[in-house]
Amino acid sequence: SAVISQKPSRDICQRGTSLTIQCQVDSQVTMMFWYRQQPGQSLTLIATANQGSEATYESGFVIDKFPISRPNLTFSTLTVSNMSPEDSSIYLCSVSRDSTYEQYFGPGTRLTVT
Amino acid sequence: DQQVKQNSPSLSVQEGRISILNCDYTNSMFDYFLWYKKYPAEGPTFLISISSIKDKNEDGRFTVFLNKSAKHLSLHIVPSQPGDSAVYFCAASKYNQGGKLIFGQGTELSVKP
Repeated sequence: SAVISQKPSRDICQRGTSLTIQCQVDSQVTMMFWYRQQPGQSLTLIATANQGSEATYESGFVIDKFPISRPNLTFSTLTVSNMSPEDSSIYLCSVSRDSTYEQYFGPGTRLTVT
Repeated sequence: DQQVKQNSPSLSVQEGRISILNCDYTNSMFDYFLWYKKYPAEGPTFLISISSIKDKNEDGRFTVFLNKSAKHLSLHIVPSQPGDSAVYFCAASKYNQGGKLIFGQGTELSVKP
C-alpha cells in the first residue's frame, strides 16, 4: 500500500469562498481519485485526476465547481469553489498503483461551510 | 439508483463470535468487489477483495463470499475482536470503468468485550 497525506485535515470556511485540498503520495502511482462523503452518506467519486491532462468528472460534478490538478505522479489538488453549506463533507483522495482495482485512501479533509 | 446496498446500518457482536456483514448489488456487470474498514477521522482502509470468477477469498480472520446468482456478497470476521469495531463499506467495480468504485452505505460494526 502507499502512504498518502492530505492537507488540510480539516477546515471551517465561509460560504462563497474556495478551498484547495492537497494530496501527496510517497511513491509514484498510476491512478489518483477524489471522493466525497457527505454526512451520513457513502463515498461518491467526484473525478479521476489524470496526470498532465484534464480530470475526468463523474455525473453531477463539474470542473468549474471542483477544479483538479495533477502535475505529476505523486501529487494532486482538489479545489472546492464558491462553497455553500451543502459542500460540507469529508473529501478523500485515493490512489491505485497499477491496473488492479484496489484503491488506498488518504486520511480525508473534513470541510465545514458556514 | 443505489447500485450497491448495505441494508444493515449497524451490527453488534460479542467478542470471539463471528461477524457477518452483507452487501447486495444490482449491476451484473460488476466484476470486482472490495471491502473497506473505516475508523472515525481516518480514511477507509482496504481489507479484502474478490474477483467475480471466484466465490470465496480468505485472508486471516477475514473471508469474503460472493454469490453471483443472488448478486450478494458477505464479509465474515472470525473471531471478532473489539478492534474490529468500525464502519465497513463494500464497493464494486467494472473492468472498463477506469477503476471507479461504487460504494455501499456502510455498516457500523460494534464488537463488545
